[in-house]
Amino acid sequence: DIQMTQSPSTLSASVGDRVTITCRANESISRWLAWYQRKPGKAPQLLIYKASTLQSGVPSRFSGSGSGTEFTLTISSLQRDDFATYFCHQYNDFSQTFGQGTKVEIK
Amino acid sequence: QAQLVQSGAEVKKPGGSVKVSCKASGYTFTSHGISWVRQAPGQGLEWMGWISAYNGNTNYAQKFKDRITLTTDTSTSTAYMELRSLRSDDTAVYSCARASYVPYHYDSWGQGTLVTVSS
Repeated sequence: DIQMTQSPSTLSASVGDRVTITCRANESISRWLAWYQRKPGKAPQLLIYKASTLQSGVPSRFSGSGSGTEFTLTISSLQRDDFATYFCHQYNDFSQTFGQGTKVEIK
Repeated sequence: QAQLVQSGAEVKKPGGSVKVSCKASGYTFTSHGISWVRQAPGQGLEWMGWISAYNGNTNYAQKFKDRITLTTDTSTSTAYMELRSLRSDDTAVYSCARASYVPYHYDSWGQGTLVTVSS
């Protein structure tokens, strides 16, 4: 199975900060990568798919980039509602796998 | 707006089986598939399988293929995941997610169902 290494595992930031989270695959997944936001007690929400396509209804401060083995999720100006856990998901092949998650905390 | 609502928490004994439901609303059920993933305590997410709600075709992860059955009931727009021969390490939160194809991204998720396997 393709291994996804997500970093950092925890990130402390302030409202207004630019935040970047990285996922690395141990082999190429082309652009078959999605990013999700998860809050306690709520269902995860799709933010980005196919590496850089913003899901309908998701604020434009979220963006994704990358291809091959390295991908980033960027929040251009962190808002209070963005304090949550983020995780990546590769769906290049049937044995789709996930990153371990990044918890974004209030600094 | 698509919504997936899962059944409640379960406690099962080792060797038993569990069946989790996932009721869809807000979209045409048969136009999409449903994937199932799980997350054990302290572990990452793990994909278990996918079912087409259109024709019932399934695709199972190798790890689970001998113990899992995915089904759908199109009359009630509900997907089911049954896992058999439960072990303590099957204790996890099980989630359904809408995925038009396999493999594919998930554009709507259920809230998750905690299954505890304990004697």
